[in-house]
Amino acid sequence: GESVGLHLPTLSVQEGDNSIINCAYSNSASDYFIWYKQESGKGPQFIIDIRSNMDKRQGQRVTVLLNKTVKHLSLQIAATQPGDSAVYFCAEKGGQAGTALIFGKGTTLSVSS
Amino acid sequence: DAGVTQSPTHLIKTRGQHVTLRCSPISGHKSVSWYQQVLGQGPQFIFQYYEKEERGRGNFPDRFSARQFPNYSSELNVNALLLGDSALYLCASSPHGVDEQYFGPGTRLTVT
Repeated sequence: GESVGLHLPTLSVQEGDNSIINCAYSNSASDYFIWYKQESGKGPQFIIDIRSNMDKRQGQRVTVLLNKTVKHLSLQIAATQPGDSAVYFCAEKGGQAGTALIFGKGTTLSVSS
Repeated sequence: DAGVTQSPTHLIKTRGQHVTLRCSPISGHKSVSWYQQVLGQGPQFIFQYYEKEERGRGNFPDRFSARQFPNYSSELNVNALLLGDSALYLCASSPHGVDEQYFGPGTRLTVT
């Protein structure tokens, strides 16, 4: 079945470091992926998305890399700040006729100053 | 512009009761999706509606139902509540489909 997983449940970094959060997906036919940030008690916040016809996409301080050969997705956060501390989820388009986002369990990013 | 709004914020219900959760999408968005998120896990897809029609349904029992109104707002109904229905219920809207889905703050449902 479809599933999206993350390599590490937790990641701890120092303020100013670059963070890399990884995600493995299982459905090679997936053509759309999203990264979300979720702070405690809040809904997921859209960070960046990427389509399968791209390998890389950049936003403000964030970069998403897609490796379709090994079905791997990563989110890079530059100059990580304490406000980046949250749970990060990757999600892929899936379900019947691509009507759902399939989420993994999430990686908790902790940034210490 | 206002984001996705949901009401109520919190809700406490007793087993066997029913509940209605409400969602207003971002202006201009015609697609609304519902997700259930239990503590420590990622959101799980329940429904997607587009132009007032159900376009997708996740692996949830028939106790769960939803609808979308002409103004694109949506309701999620859950009947015969079970303790296991306790979760954060999230609504997300997008222009169409699931691309660029933006989530609301959620409704925290507690079933006792």
